[in-house]
Amino acid sequence: SQKIEQNSEALNIQEGKTATLTCNYTNYSPAYLQWYRQDPGRGPVFLLLIRENEKEKRKERLKVTFDTTLKQSLFHITASQPADSATYLCALGSSGGYQKVTFGIGTKLQVIP
Amino acid sequence: DTGVSQNPRHKITKRGQNVTFRCDPISEHNRLYWYRQTLGQGPEFLTYFQNEAQLEKSRLLSDRFSAERPKGSFSTLEIQRTEQGDSAMYLCASSRLIFGQGTNTGELFFGEGSRLTVL
Repeated sequence: SQKIEQNSEALNIQEGKTATLTCNYTNYSPAYLQWYRQDPGRGPVFLLLIRENEKEKRKERLKVTFDTTLKQSLFHITASQPADSATYLCALGSSGGYQKVTFGIGTKLQVIP
Repeated sequence: DTGVSQNPRHKITKRGQNVTFRCDPISEHNRLYWYRQTLGQGPEFLTYFQNEAQLEKSRLLSDRFSAERPKGSFSTLEIQRTEQGDSAMYLCASSRLIFGQGTNTGELFFGEGSRLTVL
């Protein structure tokens, strides 16, 4: 069955360092992959999208890579700040006429001042 | 503006009661999604609409759940005969499908969710 894996353990890093979050998937051929941020008690907020034919995308301090051979995406936050503390969700989208987006369980990031 | 609006934000009910949640999507968005999220889990797909047509419904969704989007604008999600296992955050999201644009990869715009507690 299709599976999306994100570290269920929280990731604690020191302010100013680069945070790297991992998303692995199996039995899936996504057309694209999205990353969302979710704060406690709030809905997810879209951050970045990368298509299957793209290797890397950047937006300000964020960078995402997509390796369809390894079936893995890495999400990086450089120069991390305490305000970056949140849960980050990986989501895979299928190809075809409609967009069904399937989410992983998310990784909680804590940036320590 | 106009982000996605969900009501009520919180609902506490007794087992066996019916509850209804409403979602008002971003006005120009033709797709609307319902997800359910429990603590420590990611959002789980329930159903989605393109305009007023319900195009897919998760196999996990029991017959006690029904969703409508009568005029292709707002949507309602009703849960009949609630059970304690229905306690969760119910998230609505909308997006815009652009026809003729190959693979649509539109971001989902989520509301703040409706938290259901079934006692």
